[in-house]
Amino acid sequence: AQSVTQPDIHITVSEGASLELRCNYSYGATPYLFWYVQSPGQGLQLLLKYFSGDTLVQGIKGFEAEFKRSQSSFNLRKPSVHWSDAAEYFCAVGNDMRFGAGTRLTVKP
Amino acid sequence: DGGITQSPKYLFRKEGQNVTLSCEQNLNHDAMYWYRQDPGQGLRLIYYSQIVNDFQKGDIAEGYSVSREKKESFPLTVTSAQKNPTAFYLCASTGGGTGELFFGEGSRLTVL
Repeated sequence: AQSVTQPDIHITVSEGASLELRCNYSYGATPYLFWYVQSPGQGLQLLLKYFSGDTLVQGIKGFEAEFKRSQSSFNLRKPSVHWSDAAEYFCAVGNDMRFGAGTRLTVKP
Repeated sequence: DGGITQSPKYLFRKEGQNVTLSCEQNLNHDAMYWYRQDPGQGLRLIYYSQIVNDFQKGDIAEGYSVSREKKESFPLTVTSAQKNPTAFYLCASTGGGTGELFFGEGSRLTVL
């Protein structure tokens, strides 16, 4: 069955530290891949997406993600986290747009 | 302005009653989706439709039904068979090959 897994429910990082959020998927072929962010009380905003081509994609707010076919992964990264990045992050996959359970990011001052 | 409109925003229902949540978009998008969002469980896919008069079950379709008679509209009915219907429901659409989902503001259903 098709599925999307975000292994980390909650991550805490210090402001200025680097960040990596994990996303793994189980689909028959390489699907479309997305990362969304949801700030408290807000709607979801698209950070970046991968359809094909270069496996390292750049998004908004300084985020990037790398598609690794061999690992069925699409991990989100940011070199230096800002306090305003505290939010919930969701990986989404495929034409059917299945979402992972999300990772809540807390940023320590 | 183009967008997705969900109604009602808040809805209370007695046990055993069916309720229909409306979702309308004027973005000319082909694909539309219904999700349920519960704390700690992310967005779970209920149903989706990629073309008029066709729709597919998602991961948690039991107790829900949909129709897609018009491109602009994708209503969701929460039936009395849904065991735990109290939740926040989000409708979304995508089109034009971008893949980006546009979301409505959501409908919060409470079963009394």
